[in-house]
Amino acid sequence: KAGVTQTPRYLIKTRGQQVTLSCSPISGHRSVSWYQQTPGQGLQFLFEYFSETQRNKGNFPGRFSGRQFSNSRSEMNVSTLELGDSALYLCASSLAEDLGYTFGSGTRLTVV
Amino acid sequence: DQQVKQNSPSLSVQEGRISILNCDYTNSMFDYFLWYKKYPAEGPTFLISISSIKDKNEDGRFTVFLNKSAKHLSLHIVPSQPGDSAVYFCAASEFNTPLVFGKGTRLSVIA
Repeated sequence: KAGVTQTPRYLIKTRGQQVTLSCSPISGHRSVSWYQQTPGQGLQFLFEYFSETQRNKGNFPGRFSGRQFSNSRSEMNVSTLELGDSALYLCASSLAEDLGYTFGSGTRLTVV
Repeated sequence: DQQVKQNSPSLSVQEGRISILNCDYTNSMFDYFLWYKKYPAEGPTFLISISSIKDKNEDGRFTVFLNKSAKHLSLHIVPSQPGDSAVYFCAASEFNTPLVFGKGTRLSVIA
């Protein structure tokens, strides 16, 4: 079965711009989580959506937002980009908490 | 405040020997623990998990040990193979809360 698909794989944006990243979870998975990975910081939780509702939110500024559609696909948006937003953004889907998350390959965002 | 800590940023092991990756946590409410493996330019891949009601879980060459009193878990890989070279992340969660990850340990298995 298809895995978690994230698009685009790579993105270069300028400071002050906004960006939208997309994630298609594994078919049947209703939970989608987003993480930011930066060198030396591991994976930082951004938010989790379940059945179109944000269920959990991490400690990121309001410039980071997300949503989930009825088909479980999810998007995250970052407005007013800063240089520090350069990172690998990972999306993960799961069927249930105790079955582990399946991650996509990520979107590498570079802000210049 | 880092709730999940992997204090060794890197580890080198000879092929065929045992690799032991360690992880400490501070939140006593965590009841589920996972290990993920990550290659460059790929997302993390789920490796093995353990619930707080167990102290050991084994899957082939991979064994995870949980010591709740010490708030410590470890991943043992026996025997280590060059293909195991990757970054390993420890993660923990409470029911219905997001996974909290450590910063990762880079394992290098030398042939």
